[in-house]
Amino acid sequence: QVQLVQSGAAVKKPGSSVKVSCKPSGGTFSSYAISWVRQAPGQGLEWMGGIIPMFGTANYAQRFQGRVTITADKSTTTAYLELSSLRFEDTAIYYCARDQGEPSDSGGYFYYGMDVWGQGTTVSVSS
Amino acid sequence: DIQLTQSPSFLSASVGDRVTITCRASQGISSYLAWYQQKPGKAPKLLIYVASTLQSGVPSRFSGSGSGSEFTLTISSLQPEDSATYYCQQLNTYPLTFGGGTKVEIK
Repeated sequence: QVQLVQSGAAVKKPGSSVKVSCKPSGGTFSSYAISWVRQAPGQGLEWMGGIIPMFGTANYAQRFQGRVTITADKSTTTAYLELSSLRFEDTAIYYCARDQGEPSDSGGYFYYGMDVWGQGTTVSVSS
Repeated sequence: DIQLTQSPSFLSASVGDRVTITCRASQGISSYLAWYQQKPGKAPKLLIYVASTLQSGVPSRFSGSGSGSEFTLTISSLQPEDSATYYCQQLNTYPLTFGGGTKVEIK
């Protein structure tokens, strides 16, 4: 059973950046999409964006546009989330998750549901 | 963005009860809806995908239905281990939004 292994917890200052990694234990993304989802303390789930590694295309939630970059390095089979201009309210657990859908012929993706999740990375923003 | 409204936000029920959670989308999403269960300190777990397909390994007491803009998750006979928060997520249109969650408590 594939697992997604994320980088460790981080404590950051306001205004700085954080980069979180996500690597499948099986060593390949195959054709699946990878999403990043965050959860602030005591709050619900929030989709931040995702990438289809085989195409290299990323999509972002509008509220994070300009602050978030999602990439996938096929040579190391690692996905990354980078969030810049950190604010106190970015304190959260950040999860990567694999969707079990399939790519479309036109370079898009049919999402079915996120069946494999990383263990979560706690990012704390504190002065 | 497509808004997902879950109801109720909290429910308390007894072991053996039939429980239904509703998820309404602000616009039609065909059948591109998933349901997740999350327990404290854990990552979410996929229960149902494309509205009504049970994920492998998930107990058959969980079921999903609906299409378009109204969906339901049903637990046919609530068990103690079902105490958790449940989320719906639409997978039809970017951004892939989540509902606000429903916390299920066992009486």
